Formats: sequence, C-alpha cells, structure tokens
Amino acid sequence: GAVVSQHPSRVICKSGTSVKIECRSLDFQATTMFWYRQFPKKSLMLMATSNEGSKATYEQGVEKDKFLINHASLTLSTLTVTSAHPEDSSFYICSARDPGSGSNEQFFGPGTRLTVL
Amino acid sequence: QKEVEQNSGPLSVPEGAIASLNCTYSDRGSQSFFWYRQYSGKSPELIMFIYSNGDKEDGRFTAQLNKASQYVSLLIRDSQPSDSATYLCAVTAGKSTFGDGTTLTVKP
Repeated sequence: GAVVSQHPSRVICKSGTSVKIECRSLDFQATTMFWYRQFPKKSLMLMATSNEGSKATYEQGVEKDKFLINHASLTLSTLTVTSAHPEDSSFYICSARDPGSGSNEQFFGPGTRLTVL
Repeated sequence: QKEVEQNSGPLSVPEGAIASLNCTYSDRGSQSFFWYRQYSGKSPELIMFIYSNGDKEDGRFTAQLNKASQYVSLLIRDSQPSDSATYLCAVTAGKSTFGDGTTLTVKP
C-alpha cells in the first residue's frame, strides 16, 4: 500500500511555543490530506482537510488561526500548532488518499505525539 | 446520536474463538466502510473495506455490510493474541467519520 510519513514522531515543547508537524506521501501524489487528533482511549477526531494549492477546510470547533495548515505541494502538508498550551497535548495523525488506488482508503502516517509542558 | 457507533468494549475472547465487532451509522448516503486496527500508541492500519451489501472475506477476517439496517460488522475467526488491539469502524460519505473503537483482547 501507499506510504505516508510524519515528522517528528514525538515532540516536547514549552507552553507558548509553536510546533510544526510534516506529513508526506512518499510514493503517490495526494491532492487531499487529512489531519486528526486523538486523545487517550478516544477515537480519531478530524481537525481539517488539507487541499493542495488552496485553503484548508476546518471542522467545526477547530481554530484555524491556532492550527495552521499548509499544503504546498502534492506530497507535503504541514500542521503548525501555534502558541501551544498543555491542553493541545495529543496524538496528531495525518492521512491521505491515493487517487490511483481506486478506493477511498486512507493511508495513515505514524503519528506525532505532542506534549506541551 | 453519534454518526458512527461501535459496540462498547472491551471485548475479550479466548484464543481460537470468533470475535465479532459491530458498527452502526446514521448517514444513509454513506458509500464506503472501513475497519482499521490500532495498536496502542500507533496509527490505524487498514484491515478491510467493503462497499456492497453482503459479506467480504479476507483470510481470517470477514466484513459484513447491510445498508438497509445501516450496519457493518467485522468477524475475526481463529482469534490470535496478536489480534488484541482497538478496532475502528470508519464510514465515508465524502469525508470519513470514525467510531470510538472497540478494544479486543484475545487471551492465550
């Protein structure tokens, strides 16, 4: 199957700093990528849909000025958590669909665990 | 009512038994249905997808879909300890919506 990578896998930062997370599709081009957040023992919550070359579509309740998304190329989307606070600590996962797969399957990155002190 | 609901866990079965995981959804326009497995601290990985009513088998896994009842299930035959994980049901109608997951433990 298609491969999606994320970097970094783990980050610890101080409150008030900004953190950038990268999501890359390694062997396919993704016009659309998805960003999820997952709290412990909870399901994936879609934060936003990242569209290459245009603005991201945010889910209700997600602050677009706090979670900046840039989908600058067909293989890279970035999520920047601005002025992070302890309540932003979570597992952030990106995914992408491979247009060439013929299905709506989402390929997930390995996730980034963010801890804000 | 949640858009996607899964049977509450945790579910525990002995090794070699059949594990049955259930999922109901509210959007009748849903087109694609997925089962993902997620180990603790890891990202979800696809187990199976199903688009049409009926059964779809892949090795020890069988997905069943009934669109009239808005119901999709996953059966795991000959359960193994390595099957112990959280199983997420995802329903796609444009975007994907995930259930809260059912945690399965297979006891040796």
